[in-house]
Amino acid sequence: EVQLVESGGGLVQPGSSLKLSCVASGFTFSSYNMHWIRQAPKKGLEWIALIYYDSSNKYYADSVKGRFTISRDNSKNTLYLEMNSLRSEDTAMYYCAGPYFDYWGQGVMVTVSS
Amino acid sequence: DVVLTQTPPTLSATIGQSVSISCRSSQSLLHSNGNTYLHWLLQRPGQSPQLLIYLVSRLESGVPNRFSGSGSGTDFTLKISGVEAEDLGVYYCVQGTHAPYTFGAGTKLELK
Repeated sequence: EVQLVESGGGLVQPGSSLKLSCVASGFTFSSYNMHWIRQAPKKGLEWIALIYYDSSNKYYADSVKGRFTISRDNSKNTLYLEMNSLRSEDTAMYYCAGPYFDYWGQGVMVTVSS
Repeated sequence: DVVLTQTPPTLSATIGQSVSISCRSSQSLLHSNGNTYLHWLLQRPGQSPQLLIYLVSRLESGVPNRFSGSGSGTDFTLKISGVEAEDLGVYYCVQGTHAPYTFGAGTKLELK
């Protein structure tokens, strides 16, 4: 059974940093591109980052470019999202997802507030 | 960036009714490799999204065949042939042809 389990969320102050993790199981993680998507409260889905299976390419939404970094460790079946200079508008549920948005985690909440 | 315009924003249906959702793209979603990376998702209340249709018209494993997708280029449609209660929620189209990838704003399907 495919599982994606996110962790690392929480309440942080504006300007601070946070690193999210997504542990994958049930499929060959190292063969697949992976995404991060977020959803602000009562809002729609927003794609924020993609990393190729071998980390050779990374793409970001303009809203997070230069502040967020996607990475992966295929030896640990883990996807990461390092978030710096957090703003109130980054408050959202963050999901990791598979290449065709076929696998999704349960999400992890990030709240940026003073 | 590619803008995906979903219509209608809200859809009221009775059980058994057939409905369609449109997703129009600001540019062609045909990739140079010949694939069209347009997918449809359903997010039920309180749940993570789930994939229904990928690559325009391919039914994801385990998804009932009352769901179907069609379209090409910039115009795409998701059809539900006979709505069931479990189909209620918000439907999103998403494109994976042009980075940055983008989602439509969503269509909320509710019971009439």
